[in-house]
Amino acid sequence: SAVISQKPSRDICQRGTSLTIQCQVDSQVTMMFWYRQQPGQSLTLIATANQGSEATYESGFVIDKFPISRPNLTFSTLTVSNLSPEDSSIYLCSVVQGSTYNEQFFGPGTRLTVL
Amino acid sequence: GDSVTQMEGPVTLSEEAFLTINCTYTATGYPSLFWYVQYPGEGLQLLLKATKADDKGSNKGFEATYRKETTSFHLEKGSVQVSDSAVYFCALTTGANSKLTFGKGITLSVRP
Repeated sequence: SAVISQKPSRDICQRGTSLTIQCQVDSQVTMMFWYRQQPGQSLTLIATANQGSEATYESGFVIDKFPISRPNLTFSTLTVSNLSPEDSSIYLCSVVQGSTYNEQFFGPGTRLTVL
Repeated sequence: GDSVTQMEGPVTLSEEAFLTINCTYTATGYPSLFWYVQYPGEGLQLLLKATKADDKGSNKGFEATYRKETTSFHLEKGSVQVSDSAVYFCALTTGANSKLTFGKGITLSVRP
């Protein structure tokens, strides 16, 4: 299975600022996703990161708030913009590798606290 | 739309007790079903999966059977250990887009 790393692992940010989270995979992957896990809650899909094109966002998530880049098949970034305390969550990237379309592997997550 | 419903938690058991965590789903088409586990302070790990009706996924002593007739995928383990203490998520995906829909998760605490 793919080995996935995320940077930073955690951060504390002031409201109104932005945080960019990096997701690096040790091999080329077919699909990459970004999820949010709010405190005590389940995971919610933010968007699908498409290589070489704009991300596909889920209902309730917009590009201005969560811009995503995916310049190649092993790397993606998620920016959480104009931070508010409600953005305090764990953000996770996940990947689908090769033809295993029905199996996702998750990164360790980035824990964001907004003051 | 697709949805996953898990039993309410948390669940507290004594070591060596039998575990059942209920999961039911609604989905268009024929979903693949998963159980993910999140140990304290760690990321999400795939525990087991089943891709078609009557499939049984198993791993680390845990089992779950894909029941199409009852749209269920209940997680079971015959004898839990303290190290099984974690949050367990039931999830599904349909189609080639691989987007996962998660249940709310349930916290399991196993006491010695």
